[in-house]
Amino acid sequence: DAGVTQSPTHLIKTRGQQVTLRCSPKSGHDTVSWYQQALGQGPQFIFQYYEEEERQRGNFPDRFSGHQFPNYSSELNVNALLLGDSALYLCASSSTDMDNQPQHFGDGTRLSIL
Amino acid sequence: QKEVEQNSGPLSVPEGAIASLNCTYSDRGSQSFFWYRQYSGKSPELIMSIYSNGDKEDGRFTAQLNKASQYVSLLIRDSQPSDSATYLCAASADGLTFGKGTHLIIQP
Repeated sequence: DAGVTQSPTHLIKTRGQQVTLRCSPKSGHDTVSWYQQALGQGPQFIFQYYEEEERQRGNFPDRFSGHQFPNYSSELNVNALLLGDSALYLCASSSTDMDNQPQHFGDGTRLSIL
Repeated sequence: QKEVEQNSGPLSVPEGAIASLNCTYSDRGSQSFFWYRQYSGKSPELIMSIYSNGDKEDGRFTAQLNKASQYVSLLIRDSQPSDSATYLCAASADGLTFGKGTHLIIQP
């Protein structure tokens, strides 16, 4: 049973560039959430996708956008990268009912901005 | 603003003892609560979920929830060195709100 998979594992970009991170949910899961985790902090909720639409969004600027595909996989796009965007980006999947179903995390993508 | 508060530690516990981790949350609309374990450089791993007041036990782990006090705790019995990690408390309302985590060290 494949868990949540994310790609790439590491990425180095420069300020002003754009980046796309990818996530495949755990088998049987239809909801994908994205989190940003800075060093020494807990994960911060970016947004959640269900049925190919953004269902909930955290306190992140419009530079952060996403997409969900019919096979439930998802992408996180970040435009105009800032040094402060350096972090571990985590994808988590769950099934349908957001509030009551545990979310399972992928291994994350570590993004470094130079 | 929704917040989850945890003592960042480090919390040092002798091997074989009980480790007690606590968190409080601000959003009374939160319905579900989770404890995740995160080893350094790794992603969070779900340990326990709890949805109603009281205790929930799973092996060496017991989660406790008190919605009136907006308080969640995790007890780890017979602590092992492999339990040394950061423990993240999360509350679910609109997405998961995480605390900063408590760094737990089990001393052999």
